Amino acid sequence: DTGVSQDPRHKITKRGQNVTFRCDPISEHNRLYWYRQTLGQGPEFLTYFQNEAQLEKSRLLSDRFSAERPKGSFSTLEIQRTEQGDSAMYLCASSPGTSGRPGYFGPGTRLTVL
Amino acid sequence: QQPVQSPQAVILREGEDAVINCSSSKALYSVHWYRQKHGEAPVFLMILLKGGEQKGHDKISASFNEKKQQSSLYLTASQLSYSGTYFCGTEYNNAGNMLTFGGGTRLMVKP
Repeated sequence: DTGVSQDPRHKITKRGQNVTFRCDPISEHNRLYWYRQTLGQGPEFLTYFQNEAQLEKSRLLSDRFSAERPKGSFSTLEIQRTEQGDSAMYLCASSPGTSGRPGYFGPGTRLTVL
Repeated sequence: QQPVQSPQAVILREGEDAVINCSSSKALYSVHWYRQKHGEAPVFLMILLKGGEQKGHDKISASFNEKKQQSSLYLTASQLSYSGTYFCGTEYNNAGNMLTFGGGTRLMVKP
């Protein structure tokens, strides 16, 4: 495995439904990050994990959002009761965890809420 | 607080040079540069740590001016493949917990 993978790549859902995304980081990376990107904007930080511990969450992450990384490997991001404003690209990135080291992004999951 | 990138957009002919700036109102620990093509994930280009270090590979280089809290990305002899949106991501400490991204600079290189 040479990169970060995300699944699904695209998700269309109706308002009010729950959705779950998965991210598989680069295997030796202990830090995993979730970002959200809307059209024409830079990625916005949502949350990050060091191993299985969720160390920081953005104020953007409302109560409807929850993220887990149960065994310190893959991570899931769940959005409950989706709203149209949740439509965005959800990006996962992983890094070796030392500051000043790069984060490598996955291809993203594009969510469309109808 | 989000760093400010300038210009917002630039159009070049192949072979021309460009400079993209990233400015912060807060003291920076590091600046990360990424390029993103339409519909794809951001791709890491380089990191600069405070200390005014200049880095580069091939015809893309960058500098970090600690005094001005600014980083500049230099693209020389641009190629068609350089087209995309360039983002700077900033760290304000050495915790390595997150990047704060600027709004991006859209670069289009024409033949």
